[in-house]
Parts: sequence; structure tokens; C-alpha cells
Amino acid sequence: DIQMTQSPSSLSASVGDRVTITCRASQGIRNDLGWYQQKPGKAPKRLIYAASSLQSGVPSRFSGSGSGTEFTLTISSLQPEDFATYYCLQHNTYPRSFGPGTKLEIK
Amino acid sequence: QVQPQQWGAGLLKPSETLSLTCAVYGESFSGYYWSWIRQPPGKGLEWIGEINYRGRINYNPSLKSRVTISVDTSKSQFSLKLNSLTAADTAVYYCARGMIWGPNDWGQGTLVTVSS
Repeated sequence: DIQMTQSPSSLSASVGDRVTITCRASQGIRNDLGWYQQKPGKAPKRLIYAASSLQSGVPSRFSGSGSGTEFTLTISSLQPEDFATYYCLQHNTYPRSFGPGTKLEIK
Repeated sequence: QVQPQQWGAGLLKPSETLSLTCAVYGESFSGYYWSWIRQPPGKGLEWIGEINYRGRINYNPSLKSRVTISVDTSKSQFSLKLNSLTAADTAVYYCARGMIWGPNDWGQGTLVTVSS
């Protein structure tokens, strides 16, 4: 099974900051990775698919990069509505697996 | 964006069987991958299993002995059954629809509590 790790596990930042979250896979997954945002009490929402493609309707301040085993999600200028938990998901191999999440909090 | 609708019992006793159903109304059921994902209170997301548009089913090995995913194409619905429940199965259960890039359209979630 592929294990996904994320760093950091939590992050405090201010509105306007640039933030980067990293996701690593235990083996190569090409670009078969998505990034999801989850707010309390809500279902996850996909932001990025295929590692770097922006989901329709998602603000352009979100971007993704990477391939193989290391991936990043970058928020170029944090907005108040971006404070949430972020998960990566690999869909290269079964069983699919999520990263443990990164909680982004207001400083 | 289409939101799948899901339903099922929310309070079950240990050893009972969880049964949830998910549907997308007014759209084709074929051509998509249909997943079940769960999230224990305060914890992260766990992939349970998936059925694809060819009818192929894959399960998380950690749950495989207890889980069944099935589809009723005549009703454009798919279902999850998880037997031999324990308190560790208490979670919000989500159904989700996607294509080759993973789940995109998520149901509203169903909190399933296992308690005697």
C-alpha cells in the first residue's frame, strides 16, 4: 500500500501570507494526486487534480506542483476563507490513500 | 457542481450492519467512479472502497472482510454495507463521484454512531 505523509501537520499564518504544504508518497505515483480543502462540518472540496490542474471555480491563488513522490500545494495570498484543513489523496494505486491532513489556522 | 444524495441509519449497535445508499438524480450513473470514504470524529479521511463504471470494485484491505459495495444501475444508486460494527466504526461516511482524477462531487455525509 502507498503511504501518504504531509508536512506540516498544522500551520499558523496571517491573511496575505504565502503558504506551502507538502505531500509525500511512499512510492512513485506519477501525477495521480489531488488536493482537498475541508472546513468544519462540511464535505471535502477538491482544489487541484492531476497534481497541478486547478479545479473549475477554485481561485487562482491556489496552485499545485510535483510529480512522482513529492507534491506541494501553494496558496499565494491567504484569504480569511482559506483557513481549513487540507488533505492530499493519491489515486494511482489501490487502495487509495489520503494524507493525514494539514490544519491551517489564523495567526 | 452536482451533489450526490446519501441516506441511511445513523445510530447502530455493536455487531449490527451499517447500510448507506447514494444517488445522483437526473444524471447518468455510468462513466464515473463511485467511492465511499469515512472520517472518525476529529480525525482524517479514510478511503473505504470504490466501484468504477465497468463494475469493478476495490476495497481497502483493512475493511475488506466486512464491507460490501454494490450498485443498482436501474436506480442510479450505489450502496455500502459494513458488518460487525464496533465503536471504532463511528464516523461521518461520505459517498463521492469522480472520474479518473479521483473523487470530485461529494455527498453531504452521514454521521453513523455505533453505541450500545
